[in-house]
Amino acid sequence: AQSVTQPDIHITVSEGASLELRCNYSYGATPYLFWYVQSPGQGLQLLLKYFSGDTLVQGIKGFEAEFKRSQSSFNLRKPSVHWSDAAEYFCAVGGYSGGGADGLTFGKGTHLIIQP
Amino acid sequence: NAGVTQTPKFQVLKTGQSMTLQCAQDMNHNSMYWYRQDPGMGLRLIYYSASEGTTDKGEVPNGYNVSRLNKREFSLRLESAAPSQTSVYFCASSWYNEQFFGPGTRLTVL
Repeated sequence: AQSVTQPDIHITVSEGASLELRCNYSYGATPYLFWYVQSPGQGLQLLLKYFSGDTLVQGIKGFEAEFKRSQSSFNLRKPSVHWSDAAEYFCAVGGYSGGGADGLTFGKGTHLIIQP
Repeated sequence: NAGVTQTPKFQVLKTGQSMTLQCAQDMNHNSMYWYRQDPGMGLRLIYYSASEGTTDKGEVPNGYNVSRLNKREFSLRLESAAPSQTSVYFCASSWYNEQFFGPGTRLTVL
């Protein structure tokens, strides 16, 4: 069965500091990997995705993530965080079968707090 | 182009009542999904529909039924609501493997 682990429930970072959110996955086939962000009371916004090709992917809002197959990881990074980055971040894994896109399996999320 | 829309936005039910959550997409996507989000649990897949006329169970299907009414619409029904079904429900549709989410329905069962 597929699974996603986000080891950090909460992370506190000072504004302007760098950020790395960890994600480890378990998936039987070639994974499709995603990072979503959710602000309080809001829906989910896709930050970036990895399907194939270059293992370093760029997303919106200055985020990037690196796929490391050997470590089953897809960590999210940002060189300098802004107060507006405070939110809940979810890593997700999915696949594509012949009948259509499978549902995603999500991690439990990492709550990012930005200190002034 | 509204994307994925969900109705209602909020709902309060009493235990044992039934209701249907509605979802529609205007992106001509084949696949649609229902998730629930609970604090500290992330999102969990309830049911999905890979194409019109097909539905499959996800991780947490018990207590729910779904109907893929046509290509645009995918509804989720609670036949006899229970307090354990208090949650935020998200509908999504997908093109290839990228999913687009609706704004969510916040459901409270008393």
